[in-house]
Amino acid sequence: ETGVTQTPRHLVMGMTNKKSLKCEQHLGHNAMYWYKQSAKKPLELMFVYNFKEQTENNSVPSRFSPECPNSSHLFLHLHTLQPEDSALYLCASSQALGVIGGSKETQYFGPGTRLLVL
Amino acid sequence: KQEVTQIPAALSVPEGENLVLNCSFTDSAIYNLQWFRQDPGKGLTSLLLIQSSQREQTSGRLNASLDKSSGRSTLYIAASQPGDSATYLCAVKEGSSNTGKLIFGQGTTLQVKP
Repeated sequence: ETGVTQTPRHLVMGMTNKKSLKCEQHLGHNAMYWYKQSAKKPLELMFVYNFKEQTENNSVPSRFSPECPNSSHLFLHLHTLQPEDSALYLCASSQALGVIGGSKETQYFGPGTRLLVL
Repeated sequence: KQEVTQIPAALSVPEGENLVLNCSFTDSAIYNLQWFRQDPGKGLTSLLLIQSSQREQTSGRLNASLDKSSGRSTLYIAASQPGDSATYLCAVKEGSSNTGKLIFGQGTTLQVKP
């Protein structure tokens, strides 16, 4: 596979469930991102990881728990979500941040996971 | 706080027309600005990236301009085609070169009718 892949593509969960979203990039990048895209709202950054270390948490509620075991994989663990958390969750990757030219590079996005919380 | 606004929210044009999408941002201290395309149910595809020191970038029928001082960018699409139908998102990367944070506008949904 090439690019950035996300699984599952669609997820329906109850408010008491625990689930995880998975992202994998095959681009040799070292920075990975989680974004949330809600209806009628701008796409919103949630977390940034650079060389497996979290460098940005955009005031995300603790019911969202990210995990980055290596530079190619990123997870978003979900528990006790609310209906308003229903959205499209997008993963992206880019060249490492803080290196020469790194921040000039674009971010490559996966297709997203469409989440519905009942 | 940086805010990005895109006008119009939706646009419908006949095939072959040239069109302009607008993006404005409130804080001119940006590192770069990008235009993305998003097809329904899919992720984002980067179209053009303009560094803060640049004025424009071109790729095929697309031309993006940047006026940092006025906080504006435009995406010009020449000879539009039905395949151009999608949502176009503008995003700015703020200040420091060490941050990956992009601030997005809400997008312009374009429909090109055959």
